[in-house]
This record gives sequence, structure tokens and C-alpha cells, in this order.
Amino acid sequence: GIQVEQSPPDLILQEGANSTLRCNFSDSVNNLQWFHQNPWGQLINLFYIPSGTKQNGRLSATTVATERYSLLYISSSQTTDSGVYFCAGNSGGYQKVTFGTGTKLQVIP
Amino acid sequence: ETGVTQSPTHLIKTRGQQVTLRCSSQSGHNTVSWYQQALGQGPQFIFQYYREEENGRGNFPPRFSGLQFPNYSSELNVNALELDDSALYLCASSARVRTDTQYFGPGTRLTVL
Repeated sequence: GIQVEQSPPDLILQEGANSTLRCNFSDSVNNLQWFHQNPWGQLINLFYIPSGTKQNGRLSATTVATERYSLLYISSSQTTDSGVYFCAGNSGGYQKVTFGTGTKLQVIP
Repeated sequence: ETGVTQSPTHLIKTRGQQVTLRCSSQSGHNTVSWYQQALGQGPQFIFQYYREEENGRGNFPPRFSGLQFPNYSSELNVNALELDDSALYLCASSARVRTDTQYFGPGTRLTVL
């Protein structure tokens, strides 16, 4: 199966700062999604982005499928952005969805 | 539109017991996937159900089994519980089996003593 690496593994930001999270895939991937997992364990959809660029408020994401990576941008971070960010996808026709290793973000006031 | 729901929220079992976890998919979704998330790790794919049949499985032993019902709700059954089965179990539903966004439920936290 595919391998998914995320960087950085941990990130501490001052409120108001910007950040970029990266997701690298070992093979071409379908159905790429970004999630935010809050401290209570709930996984929240941020983007479904198999290719191209999308924006939603302070968040945006870009996937370059040919180069097997995706980026998540967080601008003007807020304390509520704290949590773990995961990217995930599957390869070819295989139903198994593989999650990345996660980036743990802490935004401090 | 009702989101994905899971029950119970928390569960404590002892080693060797059996457990059943339940998931109701989001309205209009016919595909359900189950994941296990150990503490500090990302979710691991257990299996997926589509139209009441298993449609893909991760690296989990046969004591992990499931069902999907005609209303697309689903169950995850785990037999002969082991201490390492302690984890957050997540259910996700999607509208199409291969190319669509997955929406996750709040999870069931299982503790095996």
C-alpha cells in the first residue's frame, strides 16, 4: 500500500501566525482529503482535493498530483485551530484509505 | 440532514470478551468504512461495506468482522478482545464507494482491561 508522510510532526504557533503543512505520498493517490481532529477525537473534513487548489476562509489547500504531494495553508491562526491535522487518500481502485502520520498543531494566545 | 452517529460513546471490556459497535451513516450515503485509531497514531483502515457486502479490508485479523444493513447502518464486531484492541473506533460514510468525501462519526472509545 501507499505510504503517507506528513511534516512537520509538531508545530507551535503564536495566535495570528501563518503555517504550511505538507503531505507526501509514495504513489499516486485518489480521493485525497485533509482532516482536523479536535481534542475530543472528532475528525472534521477540511478539504476533498485530489488535485488543484481550494480555499475555505482562512484555510486553503493545494494538491500537485503529478508530484505526489499536498499542502494545507492556515492563515491568521486561532487557538481553535489546535489539534491534529491528517491527510488521507487511497491508491488506484483499492478501497483501503491510508492516513498520514499527522501534524500536531498548538496555537498559543 | 443527519450526520454520522456511533454508539456507544465509551466502552470498557475485559480481555477475551466480544464487543459490537454501531454506526448510522449520513442520510443518502451507501458506503461505510471502519477505522481503528490507537493513541497518538493516525486512523488505520479496518474494512469498508458497500451495499451490505465487504468491499475492501485492511490488515486486521478475521476476529474483526462487520455487517451492513439495508438502511446502510453498520456494525463492527470484535471477538476475543486483546489489550491492543484498546483504541478509538471511527466510522465514516460516503455517498459513493470510490470517489467521494468521507464523513466521520464521533467515534467509540474502547478500553480492554
